[in-house]
Amino acid sequence: EVQLLESGGGLVQPGGSLRLSCAGSGFTFSNYAINWVRQAPGKGLEWVSTISGSGGTTYYVDSVKGRFTISRDNSKSTLYLQMNSLRAEDTAIYYCAKGTRTTASGGDWFDPWGQGTLVTVSS
Amino acid sequence: DIQMTQSPSSLSASVGDRVTITCRASQSISSNLNWYQQKPGKAPKLLIYAASSLQSGVPSRFSGSGSGTDFILTISSLQPEDFATYYCQQSYSIRTFGQGTKVEIK
Repeated sequence: EVQLLESGGGLVQPGGSLRLSCAGSGFTFSNYAINWVRQAPGKGLEWVSTISGSGGTTYYVDSVKGRFTISRDNSKSTLYLQMNSLRAEDTAIYYCAKGTRTTASGGDWFDPWGQGTLVTVSS
Repeated sequence: DIQMTQSPSSLSASVGDRVTITCRASQSISSNLNWYQQKPGKAPKLLIYAASSLQSGVPSRFSGSGSGTDFILTISSLQPEDFATYYCQQSYSIRTFGQGTKVEIK
């Protein structure tokens, strides 16, 4: 069974940092682009970032560029999201979701999704 | 950036009703449009990919249509387990989600 499991969420002060992890199982991790999607409390889904299967190509939503870094360790079947300079508006559940292609450029869909990890940015 | 606009934002319907949700892209996205269902406290679930392909295991009462800029998700006969929020997503250029449509019980 293909599964994704996020971890690393928690409470952090504004300006602080946090690193999220997403462990994949049940599939050849390096063959697929992986994505981060977030959902603020009571709000809709927002795509955050995508990384190609090799890790060589990354994309970010404008609001996190320069603050967040997506990376992956294919030897550990694990995806990461390093979040720096956190703001209150980054408060959300962060989901990782598997793409259906190796490339990150698009033309795919997200399946499955992890259960999410909550990040709260507050003083 | 490509913007996705769903309508309506919410709707009330009864079990057995036919429900349609519309998603419009700010520019042509060919058939690079996916639909997801999300229930409270749960992760989203893929329903339809590439505009009209039904994901394995999803009931056949769900269907998708459209191409270019206008897309429709149809639930042919609403069931109790279908009350949820539905999101469209484009994957033509990076990715963008619509704002969601909440389907509530009338």
